[in-house]
Amino acid sequence: DAKTTQPTSMDCAEGRAANLPCNHSTISGNEYVYWYRQIHSQGPQYIIHGLKNNETNEMASLIITEDRKSSTLILPHATLRDTAVYYCIVRAPNWGGSEKLVFGKGTKLTVNP
Amino acid sequence: DVKVTQSSRYLVKRTGEKVFLECVQDMDHENMFWYRQDPGLGLRLIYFSYDVKMKEKGDIPEGYSVSREKKERFSLILESASTNQTSMYLCASSLLGGWSYGYTFGSGTRLTVV
Repeated sequence: DAKTTQPTSMDCAEGRAANLPCNHSTISGNEYVYWYRQIHSQGPQYIIHGLKNNETNEMASLIITEDRKSSTLILPHATLRDTAVYYCIVRAPNWGGSEKLVFGKGTKLTVNP
Repeated sequence: DVKVTQSSRYLVKRTGEKVFLECVQDMDHENMFWYRQDPGLGLRLIYFSYDVKMKEKGDIPEGYSVSREKKERFSLILESASTNQTSMYLCASSLLGGWSYGYTFGSGTRLTVV
């Protein structure tokens, strides 16, 4: 699975958009980009994933560059409850084999009042 | 609402004890996973299972075993607990082909071995 690079920490003002970057320059053609977050003392929570098109759901938007070497998770109107560690993960589908997720260090997002 | 439930939120055990951590999911998922999370080391996979009675080692299986007798339940066993197994333990589940659906995690069990 491709390696990802994320900033260690970021700050965002409440009500503003939070844009979390992720570099995955060695991504291969069949690898998806996933985002999870972990609020303090809870288990990770799935947010969104995509292959090459931009994706949006009720939680966030995922923007993947045309060359797929980087992506940005966007929380359009950050709230204090969005303070968490955000993990960007890249992996390929693997039917019948290991389907484990490998988590890196992630980005600690702090939303300030 | 789909759920992964871990039997204990906090647990304190003595060195040498046999410890059972239980995880139950109500989503009819094929895959189940056990991770541990430590400061500075992130989440590390201990074991996973893709079917009843099937198991595969993850990255750090030493000192652990698992049991999956029913599809909804995946147990992590510490045969003889040691202080270096003090950690947050997280259970997760997913559909087969979970890469396309996402993984659901439990709230975690914080185990302290004294």
